[in-house]
Parts: sequence; structure tokens; C-alpha cells
Amino acid sequence: GQQVMQIPQYQHVQEGEDFTTYCNSSTTLSNIQWYKQRPGGHPVFLIQLVKSGEVKKQKRLTFQFGEAKKNSSLHITATQTTDVGTYFCAGLTNAGNMLTFGGGTRLMVKP
Amino acid sequence: NAGVTQTPKFRVLKTGQSMTLLCAQDMNHEYMYWYRQDPGMGLRLIHYSVGEGTTAKGEVPDGYNVSRLKKQNFLLGLESAAPSQTSVYFCASSYVRPLASGANVLTFGAGSRLTVL
Repeated sequence: GQQVMQIPQYQHVQEGEDFTTYCNSSTTLSNIQWYKQRPGGHPVFLIQLVKSGEVKKQKRLTFQFGEAKKNSSLHITATQTTDVGTYFCAGLTNAGNMLTFGGGTRLMVKP
Repeated sequence: NAGVTQTPKFRVLKTGQSMTLLCAQDMNHEYMYWYRQDPGMGLRLIHYSVGEGTTAKGEVPDGYNVSRLKKQNFLLGLESAAPSQTSVYFCASSYVRPLASGANVLTFGAGSRLTVL
């Protein structure tokens, strides 16, 4: 079945440093979504990427979808303590209606 | 507009006991899902429903049953709880729309933390 792998599993950064998490799928995706889960909270939708090579920005967050639509990345510039949480990617294939989630990257930011 | 509401938020069970988690959404979403979240395992789909009266198995369905008698409610049942079912359970829902406009963007409930002793 479809697998979505996410690295790294954990990342500690000093406030102000950049952060990147990577997502790789074993199959071609029709779209990919990113969610953020604050400690003790629930996943909240951030963004969806649909087109090959697509790049979207939300303030300090930059999301990319690979040309082959099998990988994606989330980059945070100049992290802040409010960025703390676990970031999940979730892929949707053309064949199905169900999202497959990656294992998540837990970001910790030292002030 | 409450979104997705899960009850209870916390529950402690003894091995062999049964219980039901309730999920209610007020967004008129067609699809509803139950996920479990364990440390280092991400979110794993237990069961899902594509409409009232329909249910289907997800990635980890064993030991769970579900029902969708009303469009707004999705129930997750544990008939005989086991310690391996200690987890945080999330319900989610989504519209059915063309992909370009955001189909399957999930709205999650706050979660239900279940401990089985």
C-alpha cells in the first residue's frame, strides 16, 4: 500500500534558526496537505499543494511539491517559539479518497 | 459553529471493558474518519465513512467497530478493550469536492485520550 515517510522525526533548533521537514511518498500523489499539531492539541490544516513543482508561502513558511509529485517539503525561516509542534504531511493518491499521513516531525525551539 | 466535537475527552478502562467514543460534526460534511495517534507512529486510520449508513475499514481496524446512523455522528466502539488500545483518538470530517478546491481537507476534533489498564 501507499507509504508516506517523513524526516526527520525530531528537530531541536535555536530560536531564529531555519527548519525543514521532508516528506516522501512511495506512489505519485494527486495532492499533498500539511497539518500542524501544537503540543496537547489536534492537527490543524495548513495548506494543500496540487500542481507539480508548486511552491506556496505563508509568512515564514514555504511549502514545495516535487516535480514528480512524490515528495514535498516545509521550510520555516527564522523559527519562533510559536512554531513549536508536530508537522504532518498527508498525501492523497489519484486512486483513493483517503489521506495517508506521514509520521510527523516534532519541532522544538529553544528561546 | 462547533466544528467537530468528541466525547469523552478522557477515559480510563480496565482490560475487557467496552466503551463508545462519540464524534459529532455540524459542518454537513459527507466523510468522517477515526484515527489513532501513538508516539512516533503518526496518525493511523481506523475506520471511515463516506456517507450516512456506510462504513469502511482503514489501516488498523481490528478490535474496533463503527456506526454512522446519522450524517453528523460517527461512533467508534471498543467491544473488549486491550492495553494495546491505549492511545489518543481523533475524529475528523471532510467535504466531498473537486480536488482543486480542497476535497479531503480534514477538520479534526480535539481528541479523546483513552487508557486501558
